[in-house]
Amino acid sequence: AQSVTQLGSHVSVSEGALVLLRCNYSSSVPPYLFWYVQYPNQGLQLLLKYTSAATLVKGINGFEAEFKKSETSFHLTKPSAHMSDAAEYFCAVSDKNNDMRFGAGTRLTVKP
Amino acid sequence: ETGVTQSPTHLIKTRGQQVTLRCSSQSGHNTVSWYQQALGQGPQFIFQYYREEENGRGNFPPRFSGLQFPNYSSELNVNALELDDSALYLCASSLPGTYGYTFGSGTRLTVV
Repeated sequence: AQSVTQLGSHVSVSEGALVLLRCNYSSSVPPYLFWYVQYPNQGLQLLLKYTSAATLVKGINGFEAEFKKSETSFHLTKPSAHMSDAAEYFCAVSDKNNDMRFGAGTRLTVKP
Repeated sequence: ETGVTQSPTHLIKTRGQQVTLRCSSQSGHNTVSWYQQALGQGPQFIFQYYREEENGRGNFPPRFSGLQFPNYSSELNVNALELDDSALYLCASSLPGTYGYTFGSGTRLTVV
């Protein structure tokens, strides 16, 4: 069975600071990995995905993530936080059948 | 624009009642999954439909059932509602051969 663990339910950064949201996965087959963002009272929006091509994946809004098989990690980063980045972020893993499982989420707060 | 439309957006039901939630996916999206997201938690996989047949199920009881129709719409039915069924229900769909989902904005179900 596949699963992801997001380290840190709440991360707080200052505007302009580095954003780092951590995700570790467990999968018995080559995983497909995703980061989604959720704003209050909305659905999930795809930020980026890893599907076995380049290990460094660039997404929307300046976010990127690096797949590290040796560490079973897929951490999300952004060099400079913006106030509009404040939201809930979910890491997810799926198999080739699109059986997708989510982590518990990390709430990002951006301080002015 | 998500391309996945869910209705209704909000719903209040009484314990013991039955509810039907609806989802309309983009043309060609023949895989649809439903997720339950309780307040402050990550989405939990309910089931997946592929070409109108159930193709996988999470840890949910049989009173959670679904249907997928040829016009790329789908339904989630929940019988004998319980207070713990109060949550945001998310529909997600994908094109054949793609990985990752497009999510709708969800239906907020409150059971009283």
